[in-house]
Amino acid sequence: GENVGLHLPTLSVQEGDNSIINCAYSNSASDYFIWYKQESGKGPQFIIDIRSNMDKRQGQRVTVLLNKTVKHLSLQIAATQPGDSAVYFCAENAVDGNNRLAFGKGNQVVVIP
Amino acid sequence: DAGITQSPRHKVTETGTPVTLRCHQTENHRYMYWYRQDPGHGLRLIHYSYGVKDTDKGEVSDGYSVSRSKTEDFLLTLESATSSQTSVYFCAISDTLQDSPLHFGNGTRLTVT
Repeated sequence: GENVGLHLPTLSVQEGDNSIINCAYSNSASDYFIWYKQESGKGPQFIIDIRSNMDKRQGQRVTVLLNKTVKHLSLQIAATQPGDSAVYFCAENAVDGNNRLAFGKGNQVVVIP
Repeated sequence: DAGITQSPRHKVTETGTPVTLRCHQTENHRYMYWYRQDPGHGLRLIHYSYGVKDTDKGEVSDGYSVSRSKTEDFLLTLESATSSQTSVYFCAISDTLQDSPLHFGNGTRLTVT
């Protein structure tokens, strides 16, 4: 797939356990953040987003936490399933009003059945 | 895949030849983007479009041009392909300019020999 050779940080998780994926963002002025999931051979898929006026947002089996003080974003996946195996990366907006996102390099999640 | 079709899905071409990649959307979204994805890098923006015949450069625009003659189509052209342009290219769309996720196609894998 597209991510072969990336040598991404890898998180191995037992099926049924919770996963936590972390992201440090660079721009303290960023006010909108997104998590994407990318499976091999596919494009990035939107998971969840959060605006800077919030510090937590929940979706179906996923929670995003935002800590603006240390410029840190995390994605928690509850009851990880084999279908959650993918590369996950965060994105922040470019605060130039053009919806230009800056993307992180990603984290590989491997779910062990 | 948010109604986004990229073509071709795979292409091998020789150095110095022109190449055009096509992105077609059925969502009637105003904003369209071309990114490239390479090992060791996050997604990097090549060009984007605010609407028909309205485009602008991204962070890695050298060697690329784009055209948008219809809302649904955004073309990326490599006038004279180089080996450094071997990459996976993703098209993305959004319906608003601020604070909205981009939705991606499944990519075109381009190899320049």
